Amino acid sequence: DAMVIQNPRYQVTQFGKPVTLSCSQTLNHNVMYWYQQKSSQAPKLLFHYYDKDFNNEADTPDNFQSRRPNTSFCFLDIRSPGLGDAAMYLCATSRDLHNEQFFGPGTRLTVL
Amino acid sequence: GENVEQHPSTLSVQEGDSAVIKCTYSDSASNYFPWYKQELGKGPQLIIDIRSNVGEKKDQRIAVTLNKTAKHFSLHITETQPEDSAVYFCAAINTGNQFYFGTGTSLTVIP
Repeated sequence: DAMVIQNPRYQVTQFGKPVTLSCSQTLNHNVMYWYQQKSSQAPKLLFHYYDKDFNNEADTPDNFQSRRPNTSFCFLDIRSPGLGDAAMYLCATSRDLHNEQFFGPGTRLTVL
Repeated sequence: GENVEQHPSTLSVQEGDSAVIKCTYSDSASNYFPWYKQELGKGPQLIIDIRSNVGEKKDQRIAVTLNKTAKHFSLHITETQPEDSAVYFCAAINTGNQFYFGTGTSLTVIP
């Protein structure tokens, strides 16, 4: 089945130790998004790629970076995780910018 | 920028009753309004969406209404079932492709 896959589902890292979260899609969608969702809050958009064009939200900290080496894969790099970065990280895709977004199951990040 | 407000934050209904969740937005340029359902431990899933050129859309037990003049849109779930229990998020996207989620509504359907 076509889908959005996130690995790992659970990630534990230490304070300040770089971590990379992975997302892949079989939908061949143009747009890939990364969201941060903290407990009992709405998902917060960090950035998105339209094809190879990177779009960063104005309030996304510099600590968060992203890479999209090809259509199928997108990575979220957290360069120096702090305790406040512990959250669920959701990847989503859409065919175009004003279309339905398909979400992955998320990666729950714990920072010790 | 856009500001999407969602009410209520929690909602409990008896099985078989209707549930209504309301959202307001501030940016008149917003033109796409999806609704997502998020179950515990899962990513959000689209349940229905509406574009600004339509006033109402229905899909079985779920309907969405949009009032562009008043800048509000609502989700209506009829004949609620226990499996409808989840957190529901509204969202708005404007012509600048900026995407804003509402704050979420935790719906509990009591059997």
